[in-house]
Amino acid sequence: GAVVSQHPSRVICKSGTSVKIECRSLDFQATTMFWYRQFPKQSLMLMATSNEGSKATYEQGVEKDKFLINHASLTLSTLTVTSAHPEDSSFYICSASGQGNQPQHFGDGTRLSIL
Amino acid sequence: AQSVTQLDSQVPVFEEAPVELRCNYSSSVSVYLFWYVQYPNQGLQLLLKYLSGSTLVKGINGFEAEFNKSQTSFHLRKPSVHISDTAEYFCAVSVGAAGNKLTFGGGTRVLVKP
Repeated sequence: GAVVSQHPSRVICKSGTSVKIECRSLDFQATTMFWYRQFPKQSLMLMATSNEGSKATYEQGVEKDKFLINHASLTLSTLTVTSAHPEDSSFYICSASGQGNQPQHFGDGTRLSIL
Repeated sequence: AQSVTQLDSQVPVFEEAPVELRCNYSSSVSVYLFWYVQYPNQGLQLLLKYLSGSTLVKGINGFEAEFNKSQTSFHLRKPSVHISDTAEYFCAVSVGAAGNKLTFGGGTRVLVKP
């Protein structure tokens, strides 16, 4: 149980395009979803926390107009990287937690490469 | 605020030998503790968690960890490692609820040698 699916697993696109990443909880209702960014050989950096039906809470230094997060249902959250540039290239990982005292479960990540 | 320190950035170990990964945390309130494993180009998989009760926690793949409140530690151990245990391991804490925002340590890269 507690499976989180993240799609796509890899994206390569030109500078200036917008990229949408989906995060789905397959077998539980995710009251809270998290988006992380991970640079090579480093730990995860939390970008934002989203609760279903509410605006996301962004961490300090994360541009909310650059990284648009939508959590429209209890099983789906999306991260859109708008007008992506090479410096946005990274590994993006989502996680989800449900009701009760349950830990976060992570997706398999999306490797974004902007040319 | 909380902080998590993983004292070893890399741990080389021979196959079938034991391994211990150290994790210390700092917090002014009670925390929930987790160990996650990350294989290359993948997300994180939960190895084990401490929420309450017995301080010795057993997880998947033969791993276990012991919560020591007085030393604010949550070290991870495995008595005999396999090549497949080569991965990055992250210690993390949350407060308030297990599903709340996580504070991660810097990670420990385990390299199992034949």
